[in-house]
Amino acid sequence: EIVLTQSPATLSLSPGERTTLSCRASQSVGRYLAWYQQKPGQAPRLLIYDASNRASGIPARFSGSGSGTDFTLTISSLEPEDFAVYYCQHCSNWPRTFGQGTKVEIK
Amino acid sequence: EVQLVESGGGLVQPGGSLRLSCAASRFSFSSFWMSWVRQAPGRGLEWVANIKPDGSEKYYVDSVKGRFTISRDNAKSSLSLQMNSLRAEDTAVYYCARDLPGYPGSYWDSWGQGTRVSVSS
Repeated sequence: EIVLTQSPATLSLSPGERTTLSCRASQSVGRYLAWYQQKPGQAPRLLIYDASNRASGIPARFSGSGSGTDFTLTISSLEPEDFAVYYCQHCSNWPRTFGQGTKVEIK
Repeated sequence: EVQLVESGGGLVQPGGSLRLSCAASRFSFSSFWMSWVRQAPGRGLEWVANIKPDGSEKYYVDSVKGRFTISRDNAKSSLSLQMNSLRAEDTAVYYCARDLPGYPGSYWDSWGQGTRVSVSS
């Protein structure tokens, strides 16, 4: 099983700031990695797939990069609605696994 | 817009059974891989199982193999998860999710609102 480790666990930031979230895989997943956003009481929302492709309707302030074992999600300028938990997920092999999440909270 | 509505959750004793359902609409259900993903209280996401469009292939996370069975009825646009021999660690919100078009078995772009399963005596 591929383990995805996200860092940091929590980020305390202000609206307008730029932030970068990290996801590291225990072995190479190629570019088979996605990022999801989840707000309290809601289902996850797909943001990025195949490491760098934005899903439909996702604002351009969200961008993804990386390959192999190291990936990043960048939010160029935080909007109030971006404060949430972010998960990475791979589909390189079975089972599909998620990282433990990074919470982006308002400072 | 894609619609996925889960049902069937509830409180069940350890060792008991429960059947979850997901009613799908507003897309061609029979063309998509479908999955169940769960989230234990205060925890992260865990993929549980998924099924090919024609039902010929099914995959499970190790922790539910032999206890859970995923199935689908394409005529009714319905996905199910039969859960037997339930354990406390199966307590979670269970989401029905549809694969991203063009990426079978890979990523999930549409999710239901979830149904809560609690396993406790």
